[in-house]
Amino acid sequence: GESVGLHLPTLSVQEGDNSIINCAYSNSASDYFIWYKQESGKGPQFIIDIRSNMDKRQGQRVTVLLNKTVKHLSLQIAATQPGDSAVYFCAENANAGNMLTFGGGTRLMVKP
Amino acid sequence: DAGITQSPRHKVTETGTPVTLRCHQTENHRYMYWYRQDPGHGLRLIHYSYGVKDTDKGEVSDGYSVSRSKTEDFLLTLESATSSQTSVYFCAIKWGSTDTQYFGPGTRLTVL
Repeated sequence: GESVGLHLPTLSVQEGDNSIINCAYSNSASDYFIWYKQESGKGPQFIIDIRSNMDKRQGQRVTVLLNKTVKHLSLQIAATQPGDSAVYFCAENANAGNMLTFGGGTRLMVKP
Repeated sequence: DAGITQSPRHKVTETGTPVTLRCHQTENHRYMYWYRQDPGHGLRLIHYSYGVKDTDKGEVSDGYSVSRSKTEDFLLTLESATSSQTSVYFCAIKWGSTDTQYFGPGTRLTVL
């Protein structure tokens, strides 16, 4: 079946630089997307979400961009800090609200 | 913090023994979920509940059963644990009428 596709690269950035983490999804019926952050030994933590009627949503130091034409989602982290080091993964809701499908994750490493 | 606790946080058991994991929430959420997380597979849904005594299967339900006798507790049982069930198990709740899921801290289960 269709699912969120996210390769599992490691993104290494310098402290203070901006980070961009990408996610490709394949289900055109998905209308809600979430980005999670997972630190080692902890549960996934909600960062930001976006509905399909929006192209962009901003939070504190984070921005999510949605391109429905190419089924692409990205998470931008401004002024990346060592505390941002974690695995980030996206999730989509394609099933009338009750279940999410998760991507595999990208490891972000921040060099001091 | 969505008021979710999981117990135990760590468990080591032997093949063939029964194991029950508990998820407890304090905020009266209707939907609760059990996931497992394994390297290379991301988060996969085992079972979920949409109310007291109302449960349904997820993607990887074989070998697992669940029960929800009261709103605040969702139990995951491995009737006869196998080594393939060694994993990190996460409980999640769906927040109110939104599609957002929030996760507990996880239980690391090792089956020898």
